[in-house]
Amino acid sequence: QSVLTQPPSVSGAPGQRVTISCTGSSSNIGAGYDVHWYQQLPGTAPKLLIYVDSNRPSGVPDRFSGSKSATSASLAISGLQAEDEADYYCQSYDSSLGGSVFGGGTKLTVL
Amino acid sequence: QVQLQESGPGLVKPSQTLSLTCTVSGGSISSGSYYWSWIRQPAGKGLEWIGRIYTSGSTNYNPSLKSRVSISIDTSKYQFSLKLTSVTAADTAVYYCARGVVRGVVYFDYWGQGTLVTVSS
Repeated sequence: QSVLTQPPSVSGAPGQRVTISCTGSSSNIGAGYDVHWYQQLPGTAPKLLIYVDSNRPSGVPDRFSGSKSATSASLAISGLQAEDEADYYCQSYDSSLGGSVFGGGTKLTVL
Repeated sequence: QVQLQESGPGLVKPSQTLSLTCTVSGGSISSGSYYWSWIRQPAGKGLEWIGRIYTSGSTNYNPSLKSRVSISIDTSKYQFSLKLTSVTAADTAVYYCARGVVRGVVYFDYWGQGTLVTVSS
């Protein structure tokens, strides 16, 4: 059971927009801690996608965007492409645990 | 370009100690801007943060593993290491080393390719 809750799977057709939620509690996202997002393509290491809620590292397309509100955060992917098919993880800090915590991951399927 | 590379045995017997090393290249391991972390991922499952070490040697561990984990750093060799004692089959996973950026909540901007460690007799 992950501290941060994500839907196990989402799907969308090419060109569509999908969102992935990440729900936390008062000891992590709700306490105002930053949320980061990672993309993990099959068989590869995770790659930083969004940092500090809504910032994109250099090289990440602006089709990817992040937001945060209250005890949850969201990753939006617009103009869905086949190469976006991957697992996506949110990450934050939990004051009760005293360290980094990840969501359980969401598998994105491009139909 | 910063690169991280994990190394160590791919097979460990139950009750023994898992030992992995991460070698950093292309950047300074002594910079105060980064933590050096270990993260693992059992097959078909999500990511689990194991712990981190700062260049000063100070450490933080996941409470669920704290009694069995030790992370150390050797800045002269550009390496940091993980030891996990009394392993069981539940410790079988891909182990990643990663660089954590010290900015508010730490985020991981560079990752190693990962190394599969299997716990089996």
